[in-house]
Amino acid sequence: GEQVEQLPSSLIVQEGASVLINCSYTDSASVYFPWYKQEPGKRLQFIIDIRSNMERKQNQRLTLLFDKKTKHLSLHITATQPGDSAIYFCSASMNNYAQGLTFGLGTRVSVFP
Amino acid sequence: EAAVTQSPRNKVAVTGGKVTLSCNQTNNHNNMYWYRQDTGHGLRLIHYSYGAGSTEKGDIPDGYKASRPSQENFSLILELATPSQTSVYFCASGGRDTQYFGPGTRLLVL
Repeated sequence: GEQVEQLPSSLIVQEGASVLINCSYTDSASVYFPWYKQEPGKRLQFIIDIRSNMERKQNQRLTLLFDKKTKHLSLHITATQPGDSAIYFCSASMNNYAQGLTFGLGTRVSVFP
Repeated sequence: EAAVTQSPRNKVAVTGGKVTLSCNQTNNHNNMYWYRQDTGHGLRLIHYSYGAGSTEKGDIPDGYKASRPSQENFSLILELATPSQTSVYFCASGGRDTQYFGPGTRLLVL
């Protein structure tokens, strides 16, 4: 089945710096890639997504890049704030979206003032 | 944002006992999901449903049953709980694509 890998597993940055999270997947049948943010003890919160027919998507300080050829995604967060501290999850879904998501292990981001 | 609630939020169970985790969504989404979250494994799909009366096996269904009696409700049932099922369980609902998650249920099986 599909496997999703994220790197790095954790990173620490100073407020105002940028963050880059890499994600790769194995199954070329995956077509939809949502990302979630999870603060300690909280539910997963949807933050941005991209489909396999796109190369780039931006939502305010978030930019998501997708390379179908290399099966690779990268999430770029600019001008980080302490409120960005969380675990970020990459996930993948196949043509039948209803069958659920396959998640990476997450990237723990810590932003210090 | 979709409203997904779970009960109980915390549960302590004994080995061999029956546990039922409940999930309710108020956004009329057809699809609902149960995941468990464990350190080192991330989130893994246990069961999912396309609508009332339907349940499907996910990636790790062994030891779990699911029930979808209505559009709004989706339950996860552990008939004979084991310590390996100690975890945080998340329910989610979704329409076409994006899934919206509940707050989680922390289950401890002693």
